[in-house]
Amino acid sequence: SQQGEEDPQALSIQEGENATMNCSYKTSINNLQWYRQNSGRGLVHLILIRSNEREKHSGRLRVTLDTSKKSSSLLITASRAADTASYFCATATSGTYKYIFGTGTRLKVLA
Amino acid sequence: DGGITQSPKYLFRKEGQNVTLSCEQNLNHDAMYWYRQDPGQGLRLIYYSQIVNDFQKGDIAEGYSVSREKKESFPLTVTSAQKNPTAFYLCASSITYMTGGEQYFGPGTRLTVT
Repeated sequence: SQQGEEDPQALSIQEGENATMNCSYKTSINNLQWYRQNSGRGLVHLILIRSNEREKHSGRLRVTLDTSKKSSSLLITASRAADTASYFCATATSGTYKYIFGTGTRLKVLA
Repeated sequence: DGGITQSPKYLFRKEGQNVTLSCEQNLNHDAMYWYRQDPGQGLRLIYYSQIVNDFQKGDIAEGYSVSREKKESFPLTVTSAQKNPTAFYLCASSITYMTGGEQYFGPGTRLTVT
Protein backbone atom coordinates (compact mmCIF):
# COMPACT_ATOMS: atom_id res chain seq x y z
CA SER A 1 0.00 0.00 0.00
CA GLN A 2 1.04 3.61 -0.39
CA GLN A 3 3.37 5.03 2.24
CA GLY A 4 1.64 8.40 2.11
CA GLU A 5 -2.09 8.74 2.24
CA GLU A 6 -3.65 12.14 1.76
CA ASP A 7 -6.85 13.28 3.34
CA PRO A 8 -9.31 14.44 2.16
CA GLN A 9 -9.35 12.91 -1.32
CA ALA A 10 -11.13 15.97 -2.67
CA LEU A 11 -11.70 19.47 -1.36
CA SER A 12 -13.75 22.32 -2.76
CA ILE A 13 -13.50 25.82 -1.31
CA GLN A 14 -14.22 29.42 -2.22
CA GLU A 15 -11.47 31.77 -3.35
CA GLY A 16 -9.93 33.51 -0.36
CA GLU A 17 -10.54 30.64 2.05
CA ASN A 18 -7.79 28.49 3.50
CA ALA A 19 -7.25 24.92 2.35
CA THR A 20 -5.82 22.23 4.60
CA MET A 21 -4.81 18.78 3.47
CA ASN A 22 -3.21 16.03 5.48
CA CYS A 23 -0.76 13.23 4.81
CA SER A 24 -0.18 10.16 6.93
CA TYR A 25 2.67 7.71 6.52
CA LYS A 26 3.75 4.44 8.06
CA THR A 27 7.49 4.26 8.63
CA SER A 28 10.32 6.51 9.79
CA ILE A 29 11.24 9.09 7.20
CA ASN A 30 14.19 11.23 6.20
CA ASN A 31 12.04 14.01 4.87
CA LEU A 32 8.62 14.69 3.45
CA GLN A 33 7.84 16.75 0.38
CA TRP A 34 4.69 18.25 -1.06
CA TYR A 35 4.07 18.52 -4.80
CA ARG A 36 1.35 20.08 -6.93
CA GLN A 37 0.05 18.63 -10.17
CA ASN A 38 -2.15 20.53 -12.56
CA SER A 39 -4.43 18.33 -14.64
CA GLY A 40 -2.50 16.28 -17.18
CA ARG A 41 0.84 17.87 -16.30
CA GLY A 42 3.99 16.97 -14.42
CA LEU A 43 4.48 17.55 -10.72
CA VAL A 44 5.93 20.73 -9.30
CA HIS A 45 7.83 20.71 -6.04
CA LEU A 46 6.33 22.97 -3.37
CA ILE A 47 8.18 22.42 -0.14
CA LEU A 48 10.43 19.95 1.70
CA ILE A 49 10.43 19.43 5.44
CA ARG A 50 13.09 17.36 7.14
CA SER A 51 12.37 14.86 9.90
CA ASN A 52 13.91 17.16 12.55
CA GLU A 53 11.74 20.13 11.54
CA ARG A 54 8.23 20.76 12.82
CA GLU A 55 7.02 23.62 10.66
CA LYS A 56 8.03 25.34 7.48
CA HIS A 57 6.67 28.27 5.50
CA SER A 58 6.93 29.27 1.88
CA GLY A 59 4.80 32.18 0.73
CA ARG A 60 1.16 31.19 1.27
CA LEU A 61 2.15 27.64 2.14
CA ARG A 62 2.60 26.29 5.64
CA VAL A 63 3.68 22.71 6.26
CA THR A 64 3.77 20.96 9.59
CA LEU A 65 5.29 17.61 10.43
CA ASP A 66 4.50 15.47 13.46
CA THR A 67 6.82 12.47 13.44
CA SER A 68 5.22 11.02 16.57
CA LYS A 69 1.90 10.78 14.74
CA LYS A 70 3.53 10.11 11.38
CA SER A 71 1.56 12.88 9.77
CA SER A 72 2.00 16.14 7.92
CA SER A 73 -0.36 18.90 6.89
CA LEU A 74 -0.24 21.44 4.08
CA LEU A 75 -2.08 24.71 4.57
CA ILE A 76 -2.67 27.05 1.66
CA THR A 77 -3.83 30.44 2.88
CA ALA A 78 -5.97 32.90 0.94
CA SER A 79 -6.53 30.41 -1.86
CA ARG A 80 -6.82 31.46 -5.50
CA ALA A 81 -8.46 29.83 -8.48
CA ALA A 82 -4.95 29.12 -9.77
CA ASP A 83 -4.37 26.84 -6.76
CA THR A 84 -6.82 24.35 -8.26
CA ALA A 85 -4.74 21.19 -8.67
CA SER A 86 -3.94 17.86 -7.07
CA TYR A 87 -1.53 17.90 -4.16
CA PHE A 88 0.70 14.97 -3.27
CA CYS A 89 2.93 14.21 -0.36
CA ALA A 90 6.05 12.14 -0.95
CA THR A 91 8.02 10.43 1.76
CA ALA A 92 11.51 8.94 1.72
CA THR A 93 11.88 6.12 4.20
CA SER A 94 14.92 6.32 6.47
CA GLY A 95 17.87 4.64 4.81
CA THR A 96 16.70 5.27 1.28
CA TYR A 97 15.81 8.24 -0.85
CA LYS A 98 13.33 6.32 -2.94
CA TYR A 99 10.24 8.46 -2.61
CA ILE A 100 6.77 7.03 -2.18
CA PHE A 101 3.88 9.19 -3.27
CA GLY A 102 0.42 9.27 -1.80
CA THR A 103 -2.81 9.20 -3.77
CA GLY A 104 -3.26 12.96 -3.60
CA THR A 105 -5.86 15.54 -2.63
CA ARG A 106 -7.80 17.15 -5.46
CA LEU A 107 -8.33 20.81 -4.58
CA LYS A 108 -10.85 22.95 -6.41
CA VAL A 109 -10.93 26.67 -5.66
CA LEU A 110 -14.10 28.37 -6.85
CA ALA A 111 -13.87 31.96 -8.05
CA ASP B 1 15.75 26.84 -20.64
CA GLY B 2 16.75 24.26 -18.11
CA GLY B 3 14.47 21.38 -17.42
CA ILE B 4 13.20 17.96 -18.35
CA THR B 5 11.57 17.15 -21.62
CA GLN B 6 9.48 14.13 -22.44
CA SER B 7 8.29 13.17 -25.84
CA PRO B 8 5.86 12.59 -27.24
CA LYS B 9 3.05 14.04 -25.14
CA TYR B 10 0.55 11.47 -26.44
CA LEU B 11 1.42 8.03 -27.75
CA PHE B 12 -0.84 5.39 -29.21
CA ARG B 13 0.24 1.81 -29.79
CA LYS B 14 -1.28 -1.52 -30.67
CA GLU B 15 -1.15 -4.30 -28.15
CA GLY B 16 1.93 -6.46 -28.56
CA GLN B 17 4.21 -3.66 -29.71
CA ASN B 18 7.14 -2.32 -27.74
CA VAL B 19 7.28 1.44 -27.34
CA THR B 20 10.02 3.76 -26.09
CA LEU B 21 9.35 6.95 -24.17
CA SER B 22 11.96 9.65 -24.26
CA CYS B 23 13.24 11.63 -21.28
CA GLU B 24 15.99 14.24 -21.52
CA GLN B 25 17.31 16.65 -18.89
CA ASN B 26 19.79 19.51 -19.10
CA LEU B 27 19.96 20.15 -15.36
CA ASN B 28 23.20 18.18 -14.94
CA HIS B 29 21.43 15.92 -12.44
CA ASP B 30 22.91 12.55 -11.58
CA ALA B 31 19.67 10.82 -10.61
CA MET B 32 16.72 10.10 -12.87
CA TYR B 33 13.41 8.34 -12.28
CA TRP B 34 10.43 6.90 -14.13
CA TYR B 35 7.00 6.85 -12.55
CA ARG B 36 3.66 5.56 -13.68
CA GLN B 37 0.42 7.31 -12.73
CA ASP B 38 -3.01 5.77 -13.13
CA PRO B 39 -6.24 7.80 -12.88
CA GLY B 40 -6.94 9.03 -9.37
CA GLN B 41 -3.81 7.45 -8.00
CA GLY B 42 -0.40 8.49 -6.86
CA LEU B 43 2.88 7.84 -8.60
CA ARG B 44 4.50 4.43 -8.61
CA LEU B 45 8.22 4.04 -9.22
CA ILE B 46 9.19 1.94 -12.23
CA TYR B 47 12.97 2.39 -12.45
CA TYR B 48 15.55 4.81 -11.14
CA SER B 49 19.13 5.58 -11.98
CA GLN B 50 21.62 7.03 -9.52
CA ILE B 51 24.34 7.61 -12.08
CA VAL B 52 25.25 6.96 -15.70
CA ASN B 53 25.39 3.28 -16.68
CA ASP B 54 23.55 2.26 -13.52
CA PHE B 55 19.86 1.72 -12.87
CA GLN B 56 17.70 -0.11 -10.36
CA LYS B 57 14.23 -1.61 -10.42
CA GLY B 58 11.51 0.25 -8.62
CA ASP B 59 8.26 -1.17 -7.30
CA ILE B 60 6.64 -2.04 -10.62
CA ALA B 61 9.49 -2.81 -13.05
CA GLU B 62 7.97 -5.90 -14.66
CA GLY B 63 7.33 -5.34 -18.36
CA TYR B 64 9.57 -2.27 -18.54
CA SER B 65 13.22 -1.68 -19.41
CA VAL B 66 15.52 1.35 -19.29
CA SER B 67 19.00 2.43 -20.24
CA ARG B 68 21.27 5.20 -18.98
CA GLU B 69 24.07 5.57 -21.49
CA LYS B 70 24.24 9.35 -21.15
CA LYS B 71 23.80 11.52 -18.10
CA GLU B 72 21.08 13.58 -19.74
CA SER B 73 18.99 10.74 -21.15
CA PHE B 74 16.92 7.99 -19.51
CA PRO B 75 14.57 6.33 -22.04
CA LEU B 76 11.88 3.91 -20.90
CA THR B 77 10.73 1.01 -23.05
CA VAL B 78 7.30 -0.41 -22.40
CA THR B 79 7.44 -3.97 -23.63
CA SER B 80 4.66 -6.27 -24.76
CA ALA B 81 5.11 -8.13 -21.47
CA GLN B 82 3.56 -5.22 -19.57
CA LYS B 83 0.00 -6.39 -19.03
CA ASN B 84 -1.68 -3.04 -18.55
CA PRO B 85 0.51 -0.37 -20.18
CA THR B 86 -2.08 2.37 -20.69
CA ALA B 87 -1.13 5.09 -18.21
CA PHE B 88 0.47 8.49 -17.73
CA TYR B 89 4.27 8.21 -17.51
CA LEU B 90 6.37 10.78 -15.70
CA CYS B 91 10.11 11.20 -15.78
CA ALA B 92 11.93 13.07 -13.01
CA SER B 93 15.45 13.97 -11.99
CA SER B 94 17.23 15.11 -8.86
CA ILE B 95 20.72 16.41 -8.21
CA THR B 96 21.79 13.16 -6.60
CA TYR B 97 19.95 10.14 -5.38
CA MET B 98 21.31 10.32 -1.85
CA THR B 99 20.57 13.93 -0.98
CA GLY B 100 16.85 13.37 -0.86
CA GLY B 101 16.20 16.73 -2.41
CA GLU B 102 13.42 17.84 -4.66
CA GLN B 103 12.61 16.03 -7.84
CA TYR B 104 12.07 17.92 -11.07
CA PHE B 105 9.39 16.44 -13.28
CA GLY B 106 8.84 16.44 -17.00
CA PRO B 107 5.41 17.15 -18.52
CA GLY B 108 4.59 13.47 -18.92
CA THR B 109 3.67 11.11 -21.76
CA ARG B 110 0.18 9.66 -21.94
CA LEU B 111 0.39 6.17 -23.46
CA THR B 112 -2.68 4.45 -24.79
CA VAL B 113 -2.45 0.84 -25.92
CA THR B 114 -5.38 -0.73 -27.74
